[in-house]
Amino acid sequence: RKEVEQDPGPFNVPEGATVAFNCTYSNSASQSFFWYRQDCRKEPKLLMSVYSSGNEDGRFTAQLNRASQYISLLIRDSKLSDSATYLCVVSSPTGRRALTFGSGTRLQVQP
Amino acid sequence: ETGVTQSPTHLIKTRGQQVTLRCSSQSGHNTVSWYQQALGQGPQFIFQYYREEENGRGNFPPRFSGLQFPNYSSELNVNALELDDSALYLCASSSLAGQYNEQFFGPGTRLTVL
Repeated sequence: RKEVEQDPGPFNVPEGATVAFNCTYSNSASQSFFWYRQDCRKEPKLLMSVYSSGNEDGRFTAQLNRASQYISLLIRDSKLSDSATYLCVVSSPTGRRALTFGSGTRLQVQP
Repeated sequence: ETGVTQSPTHLIKTRGQQVTLRCSSQSGHNTVSWYQQALGQGPQFIFQYYREEENGRGNFPPRFSGLQFPNYSSELNVNALELDDSALYLCASSSLAGQYNEQFFGPGTRLTVL
């Protein structure tokens, strides 16, 4: 079983749609949680840290459910520029706090 | 504020050769982590350097080694290259003092092994 599992997609949605990505993680001792965005052949860029109480940044909302070991990302009013791969990431509980990435979910927003 | 930089951007090597990749961390960050990203996969943790010492390692063989310098920049060395080493190599900088361990990535080095 992979440490971080995501639906690979692709998700093809029209502009203006709301889309949700889900992710599960296997290590219950994981400490920190993130969503990164990666454009084709570029580096991952931090989109949001995910806090226990959930958090929102403009059109983006992230939720964490520690009991179910589940993380979600909701994108409202999708823009063409949101087309990218979204990576669910957890930070290990040990001192080094290495990041463990899911394989990513590809989003294609269509005009 | 200077972001994370990596060099070279692209590299082509043949099987059995050795390669050195370089990374300069973001100003104010004291920790560098290296990741390997194969096509269609998420990045995989190779190792992390903090205060010039290896501070944890992923599931990579000893032919992957590294260094961190007093200015926090870092090198990744790979010996005896194999075809499967072809990947995007990403360096990420962070501060272990940060509460949430947010890591910021450089643009990567794309290594092709023929």
